[in-house]
Amino acid sequence: GENVEQHPSTLSVQEGDSAVIKCTYSDSASNYFPWYKQELGKRPQLIIDIRSNVGEKKDQRIAVTLNKTAKHFSLHITETQPEDSAVYFCAASKNTGFQKLVFGTGTRLLVSP
Amino acid sequence: DSGVTQTPKHLITATGQRVTLRCSPRSGDLSVYWYQQSLDQGLQFLIQYYNGEERAKGNILERFSAQQFPDLHSELNLSSLELGDSALYFCASSDRDRNTIYFGEGSWLTVV
Repeated sequence: GENVEQHPSTLSVQEGDSAVIKCTYSDSASNYFPWYKQELGKRPQLIIDIRSNVGEKKDQRIAVTLNKTAKHFSLHITETQPEDSAVYFCAASKNTGFQKLVFGTGTRLLVSP
Repeated sequence: DSGVTQTPKHLITATGQRVTLRCSPRSGDLSVYWYQQSLDQGLQFLIQYYNGEERAKGNILERFSAQQFPDLHSELNLSSLELGDSALYFCASSDRDRNTIYFGEGSWLTVV
């Protein structure tokens, strides 16, 4: 089955710096890659996603890149702010109609003022 | 608000007991997923239902069971509870044509 690895497990940056979180997946048939942000004690919330027919997608300060050949995808946050501090999860699934999202282990991002 | 409703929000129970967690998916969504998140841990997939039928199973213990009813709400039953079952249990839903899943607020289960 699908396996998703995520790095780093923790990431500390200064406000205004960029942050990059990387994930690799094992199943070459996976074609949907969302990113979720989870604040302490709250539900994971979708922040951006990318499908396999696209190499990059951007939404304001966040962007996701996908390299299907290498089977990895990354989340980029620019001009980080303290409110970006949270745990970020990547995930992967196949578009079978009964897809099962497999999550990475999460990255705790801390943005210091 | 994701549109996925979970009850109860918090639950404290003793070891050996049984509890039922309830989930109402977003309007129109046919798929329901259950995830377990222990303290400072990742999201462990438990089980998925689609329109009343079980579609995928993850690391769900035999003491746990779930079902999805004709009105599409789902229940996760946890029995013979152990201290290690203390966790945040999330329900999520999606429709068939889109991969995106949306999470509910979760049910905090504490076993004492």
